[in-house]
Amino acid sequence: GAGVSQSPSNKVTEKGKDVELRCDPISGHTALYWYRQSLGQGLEFLIYFQGNSAPDKSGLPSDRFSAERTGGSVSTLTIQRTQQEDSAVYLCASSEGGARGYTFGSGTRLTVV
Amino acid sequence: DQQVKQNSPSLSVQEGRISILNCDYTNSMFDYFLWYKKYPAEGPTFLISISSIKDKNEDGRFTVFLNKSAKHLSLHIVPSQPGDSAVYFCAASAEAGGSYIPTFGRGTSLIVHP
Repeated sequence: GAGVSQSPSNKVTEKGKDVELRCDPISGHTALYWYRQSLGQGLEFLIYFQGNSAPDKSGLPSDRFSAERTGGSVSTLTIQRTQQEDSAVYLCASSEGGARGYTFGSGTRLTVV
Repeated sequence: DQQVKQNSPSLSVQEGRISILNCDYTNSMFDYFLWYKKYPAEGPTFLISISSIKDKNEDGRFTVFLNKSAKHLSLHIVPSQPGDSAVYFCAASAEAGGSYIPTFGRGTSLIVHP
């Protein structure tokens, strides 16, 4: 597609439930990032995929968070047993490689009630 | 510990005047800096960047200045327009170290009054 597509755009879930957030990057982009923005905070790095290399998971806040990228394209971020502090906007970005010129999606606003 | 700091959460400017957004960083390994702009309910969009080998980069109404010794950069918008009203994020990465994961500041909300 022309841009980075994220779905759903909004998600309300009950505490304790699992959620899956999807990111469809720009075709051909080898690098894919997940960030989240909590209220009043900056963009917090979560995970980085680059080609076929092992992902950099150093930003994942707990083992309830995981992500995968299938076929070097679509990525899914999974949050298990959601907590209220997981409420945030989850942003995905992709690039041809490196930090330059990367394009963000519009994000998924997750609300845990 | 924040490695990229935007100490002004908000800034209000009159249309036509200059907007100056500031950013400080602590990690001396950072060698590439970016500014992103974000409108509500949209993802951030890339605005302008600068490599540490330069001290200034200009693109139309937008200029970024880098002072490496002070670990400080600033974004100048002149003249400011109401459509510039958005949240501006500063980001830094350490590309020489092989890290392409930018660290972002908390953002500065710019309001340009007509």
